[in-house]
Amino acid sequence: AQKVTQAQTEISVVEKEDVTLDCVYETRDTTYYLFWYKQPPSGELVFLIRRNSFDEQNEISGRYSWNFQKSTSSFNFTITASQVVDSAVYFCALDGGATNKLIFGTGTLLAVQP
Amino acid sequence: DSGVTQTPKHLITATGQRVTLRCSPRSGDLSVYWYQQSLDQGLQFLIQYYNGEERAKGNILERFSAQQFPDLHSELNLSSLELGDSALYFCASSVGAEVGYEQFFGPGTRLTVL
Repeated sequence: AQKVTQAQTEISVVEKEDVTLDCVYETRDTTYYLFWYKQPPSGELVFLIRRNSFDEQNEISGRYSWNFQKSTSSFNFTITASQVVDSAVYFCALDGGATNKLIFGTGTLLAVQP
Repeated sequence: DSGVTQTPKHLITATGQRVTLRCSPRSGDLSVYWYQQSLDQGLQFLIQYYNGEERAKGNILERFSAQQFPDLHSELNLSSLELGDSALYFCASSVGAEVGYEQFFGPGTRLTVL
């Protein structure tokens, strides 16, 4: 069975702190994709990153970075120098198997205090 | 703006009623997905259509049905509504149907069943 676990329900940090959001996944597929989405208070889901199972290179995009480790089935997301605008719920998702349906984790609510 | 449109934005109705949610995918996208986000179940995949044909089914109740029309827009029909159906319903679209295609999410329809 496929599963995504985001053990951190809520994280609160002060602006400019670095924060890491954890994501652990389970799948028997050899080809799969991992995603991160952001859901700000306005409610829409905003795509952040996609990573396939054959590419374990870490990725950095501005203040965002992602660490994919197949050995521990983890795909963690770090925000450097957090800002108030980063406050949102962040979802990790898994896409595998024959169809393109996303399995979401329960999300992590990040609150960045000024 | 993802390019995916959903109407209506908000819907308030009573138990036992039937509603229709509408989704227009991004231009060029052939695949449409429906997801439900509720406090109890989190973000769950309901159903996927590709070029008018049902492609995959998730935890969609028998009271719910969907279709994709020749112009590629999709409708999600919810009938015999119950209080527990209150949720945010997202539509997403992608170019292809196979695993790994990025899904672009619409702004969602918030359904409240009283």
